[in-house]
Amino acid sequence: GAVVSQHPSWVICKSGTSVKIECRSLDFQATTMFWYRQFPKQSLMLMATSNEGSKATYEQGVEKDKFLINHASLTLSTLTVTSAHPEDSSFYICSASPGLAGGNQETQYFGPGTRLLVL
Amino acid sequence: GEDVEQSLFLSVREGDSSVINCTYTDSSSTYLYWYKQEPGAGLQLLTYIFSNMDMKQDQRLTVLLNKKDKHLSLRIADTQTGDSAIYFCAEWLFGNEKLTFGTGTRLTIIP
Repeated sequence: GAVVSQHPSWVICKSGTSVKIECRSLDFQATTMFWYRQFPKQSLMLMATSNEGSKATYEQGVEKDKFLINHASLTLSTLTVTSAHPEDSSFYICSASPGLAGGNQETQYFGPGTRLLVL
Repeated sequence: GEDVEQSLFLSVREGDSSVINCTYTDSSSTYLYWYKQEPGAGLQLLTYIFSNMDMKQDQRLTVLLNKKDKHLSLRIADTQTGDSAIYFCAEWLFGNEKLTFGTGTRLTIIP
C-alpha cells in the first residue's frame, strides 16, 4: 500500500514553454501533498505544501507564479513549471500523506520523481 | 533549529553491518524517518521512530535513538549489494508541519 506515482518520469522541453507534472496517490487519499526539488548530489528541498481544495503554501524563495500547484482532488496534485528556463532543470519529487487513516498522519510516501531538462 | 546532519559517505564490505548516523537539533517531540534513494529514483520509506522510543527493529534494520545527544542511527545487518543507495534521515517538525532532510549518506558496498 501507500503507492505514489508521478507522470511523466522525464521530460525535455524548450525554454519558454510550460510543463505540467502530475502526482497521484494510487491506493489512498491524500489531504496533503508536498513538492520537492532535488539538485544532483544534494538533498531534497521543499518547494510547497499542497492541501486539497485550498491554495498551496510555498516555501520562502519559491515563486508561486512560476511553480503553479493545483490539488483538485484527494488523489491528484499537479505542479506546472511556467515559462521554463534551463535553470529550472532539476529532479522534482512529490510526496503524499494519508493522514490519520494511515496511522501516522505525518508520514510521507514519495513518488518516483520527474526529471526535467529545459533546453 | 532545523538542521539535520549526516556524513556524506560510508563504505562497507558485503555481509558486514552498516551503521548510518544522523544528528538533529530540534528537541521537541517528533517523528524521525529513514528513507532510501536509489539512482534516478524517488525515496523509499524504510522505517520511522517516534521520539519517545529508544529503538525500533524491522528485519535487517535497527533504528537507535539517543534523545539526550539528538543522535539517530540506522543499522543494516548483513549488508548486500542491493543496499547500495543514498540514505536520508528526516525529521518531522510539529508546528512547521514539514520534513527536514539530512544531506544524505551514500552507502557503497565493497564486494
